[in-house]
Amino acid sequence: GDSVTQMEGPVTLSEEAFLTINCTYTATGYPSLFWYVQYPGEGLQLLLKATKADDKGSNKGFEATYRKETTSFHLEKGSVQVSDSAVYFCALVGFSGSARQLTFGSGTQLTVLP
Amino acid sequence: EAGVTQFPSHSVIEKGQTVTLRCDPISGHDNLYWYRRVMGKEIKFLLHFVKESKQDESGMPNNRFLAERTGGTYSTLKVQPAELEDSGVYFCASSQGRRGIRSYNEQFFGPGTRLTVL
Repeated sequence: GDSVTQMEGPVTLSEEAFLTINCTYTATGYPSLFWYVQYPGEGLQLLLKATKADDKGSNKGFEATYRKETTSFHLEKGSVQVSDSAVYFCALVGFSGSARQLTFGSGTQLTVLP
Repeated sequence: EAGVTQFPSHSVIEKGQTVTLRCDPISGHDNLYWYRRVMGKEIKFLLHFVKESKQDESGMPNNRFLAERTGGTYSTLKVQPAELEDSGVYFCASSQGRRGIRSYNEQFFGPGTRLTVL
């Protein structure tokens, strides 16, 4: 079945540091890929997405590129802020059969220190 | 427009008791999903409603879990009797109806219900 493997956390960075959170996936066919973020006390929010190979999703300074050859969707940000402290989840939706549920990674807790 | 809401935000119960979680999706969303995150692990799919019908309940862990969606509006997830391993955060999400075979409609998530079974 489909699966997502995400970089283990927690990750602690200083403000303005560069961020990379690794994500690789296993899926049949051509899944759509997502990064969700959960800020403290809030629900999951879609951060960015990519629906086909070589697509780059971007939002709020975060970027991730759909790499089919390496089955990866790593999240990057050039300069993190304290407000980026949250839990980040990599996820996919496969298109085998009629399933449309999200398959998530285990989440990465990011803490940004001032 | 109101987002997805869940009630309660926290619940602490003893093993063997019953708990009912509620989810109110965004108005007009046909699709409603339940997910669970246990012990800081990955968020796992539980089931999917399309309107009032269960489209996929392959993720339900066992028959102690019962989900309903009355009239295609709000949904409840009952755990009876609760066990220690049921502790976790239960998320609900909703999305609009599907437009095509390869379409994906964004799922909007609620804040979750944190369930602790002692």
